[in-house]
Amino acid sequence: DQQVKQNSPSLSVQEGRISILNCDYTNSMFDYFLWYKKYPAEGPTFLISISSIKDKNEDGRFTVFLNKSAKHLSLHIVPSQPGDSAVYFCAASALSGGGADGLTFGKGTHLIIQP
Amino acid sequence: DTAVSQTPKYLVTQMGNDKSIKCEQNLGHDTMYWYKQDSKKFLKIMFSYNNKELIINETVPNRFSPKSPDKAHLNLHINSLELGDSAVYFCASSRGLPAYNEQFFGPGTRLTVL
Repeated sequence: DQQVKQNSPSLSVQEGRISILNCDYTNSMFDYFLWYKKYPAEGPTFLISISSIKDKNEDGRFTVFLNKSAKHLSLHIVPSQPGDSAVYFCAASALSGGGADGLTFGKGTHLIIQP
Repeated sequence: DTAVSQTPKYLVTQMGNDKSIKCEQNLGHDTMYWYKQDSKKFLKIMFSYNNKELIINETVPNRFSPKSPDKAHLNLHINSLELGDSAVYFCASSRGLPAYNEQFFGPGTRLTVL
């Protein structure tokens, strides 16, 4: 049972445009969400996070939006750059449970930035 | 300097063998993890250690045994390897529990069981 779903295995965006990566979750206990970026043959690296007390968090070109009622979050990258081409993983955790269950990851979305 | 390192990077072995994967972090973190990324690309947590004590042990076969000699190391030993163990294994570390702090991942170890 996938508790964190990334329904788009891949996404192609033109350089300079906005990239929007989506993530849905089913576990209502999740209240902390993270995005990780992964290049081939490397481990995932942390990008940005958001807790459920917020609906938006921004860091430079990266913005994460959280819609709790829809159990949906999205990562916006603007403007998209060639170096953004990577696999992006959405992850979730339950702060209220002390986080002892670890992170639950989605399957990832492969973002391809076209020149 | 590599923050989280794993050895070996690639491991090819026969069914039934016993193998170990080593992980070291030089970030001064007190929590370390092992994740498995299977052929369907799901990244699933297997174990978590905080200050050398096991705090997460997901449903994995007991052929998998993590060992943490100190806070900077978390090794993964696998007995009687099976075909289904073929995957990429990632080690990670964080300061404190996973929900509060970002996790830093190693480069992964690709295990192939023949």
